[in-house]
Amino acid sequence: GQNIDQPTEMTATEGAIVQINCTYQTSGFNGLFWYQQHAGEAPTFLSYNVLDGLEEKGRFSSFLSRSKGYSYLLLKELQMKDSASYLCAVRDSNYQLIWGAGTKLIIKP
Amino acid sequence: ETGVTQTPRHLVMGMTNKKSLKCEQHLGHNAMYWYKQSAKKPLELMFVYNFKEQTENNSVPSRFSPECPNSSHLFLHLHTLQPEDSALYLCASSQDGAGGYNEQFFGPGTRLTVL
Repeated sequence: GQNIDQPTEMTATEGAIVQINCTYQTSGFNGLFWYQQHAGEAPTFLSYNVLDGLEEKGRFSSFLSRSKGYSYLLLKELQMKDSASYLCAVRDSNYQLIWGAGTKLIIKP
Repeated sequence: ETGVTQTPRHLVMGMTNKKSLKCEQHLGHNAMYWYKQSAKKPLELMFVYNFKEQTENNSVPSRFSPECPNSSHLFLHLHTLQPEDSALYLCASSQDGAGGYNEQFFGPGTRLTVL
């Protein structure tokens, strides 16, 4: 079966750095997405990786290793507004998104 | 209106009621999706429409009936639901086949409670 694993919850301090991991086992691979979802709101697109390596976008970076079935989202200079759930999703061989259950990130002052 | 809109935002219904959820995308996309989001569970893909044609129906019970009259509008008709159907129902759209990421854009969702 297809599976996406990510931690259920993480806590970090304002101004610090946090890394949210995602491991996947899917039938085929056509890219990996990270989305951010604030409580009661729509998920919003953060990043996309299809080749191995690091993609940097401001305070957020996303890394992919296809051979290891592994990705992480790195958030720097954490702000209180970064408190949200972070969803990892993999596009499989049928071009459908397989979703993880999300990681709830709690930022403390 | 911009992006993806959904109405109503909140819905409470009895098990014998019939109701409909509406989604509209203002992005010119060619694909639309219905997802179910339950607490601490992955997003569950329910239905996919490409160019108004249904291409996916992931073993969804017949009490959920989708309708896509055009590429901008998507409905989810509900009847004789069960309490376990209570969840956040998210609509999304994307532009498929045009290169790029083809990322999905989500609406704010309808919070459904079945009594």
